[in-house]
Amino acid sequence: NAGVTQTPKFQVLKTGQSMTLQCAQDMNHEYMSWYRQDPGMGLRLIHYSVGAGITDQGEVPNGYNVSRSTTEDFPLRLLSAAPSQTSVYFCASSRGGAATGELFFGEGSRLTVL
Amino acid sequence: GQQVMQIPQYQHVQEGEDFTTYCNSSTTLSNIQWYKQRPGGHPVFLIQLVKSGEVKKQKRLTFQFGEAKKNSSLHITATQTTDVGTYFCSKNAGNMLTFGGGTRLMVKP
Repeated sequence: NAGVTQTPKFQVLKTGQSMTLQCAQDMNHEYMSWYRQDPGMGLRLIHYSVGAGITDQGEVPNGYNVSRSTTEDFPLRLLSAAPSQTSVYFCASSRGGAATGELFFGEGSRLTVL
Repeated sequence: GQQVMQIPQYQHVQEGEDFTTYCNSSTTLSNIQWYKQRPGGHPVFLIQLVKSGEVKKQKRLTFQFGEAKKNSSLHITATQTTDVGTYFCSKNAGNMLTFGGGTRLMVKP
């Protein structure tokens, strides 16, 4: 099993550009989520999904869109990138959801917006 | 924003010394989780605590959940250089899992 796979690992964007961070898991987990991590700060929840076709907002959803058309994939879209979105993004999945607390994280995608 | 507060934010210890990080909430928690993130790595789940007053051990790591379920601690006995990293606590509110700011542990050999 590959676990949680994120692509790309690194990306540089110009302000106003759009892009999609890909996340795929092969563990048949229903629950998936996206976090951003800024220097000196913890992980902040952007969006999450409890199953295919269902998504919801987390703590910091503005500027980001998600969709969940399959159990395996949970892409994160930046519609018009801003320097404030420079961060490391982590995708995570869980079999039992937030209640079990056990998230499996991808290796992260480092995004720089100029 | 962060709904659980972690202290300290940073901690330097000499190898062999003990280390403790604390996680505090203003509200009663249904459960709490601890994660470790190595420098440049991704968070890795360590444990979940559910019961009031619960104590769990993993080798040199001891995890406690307070009697009132509003605080938790992670204690490492006789730190090693392999313990270096940031330790996060997390809580769930419904379907959201949110994290504290973390405690960064640095170990001098």
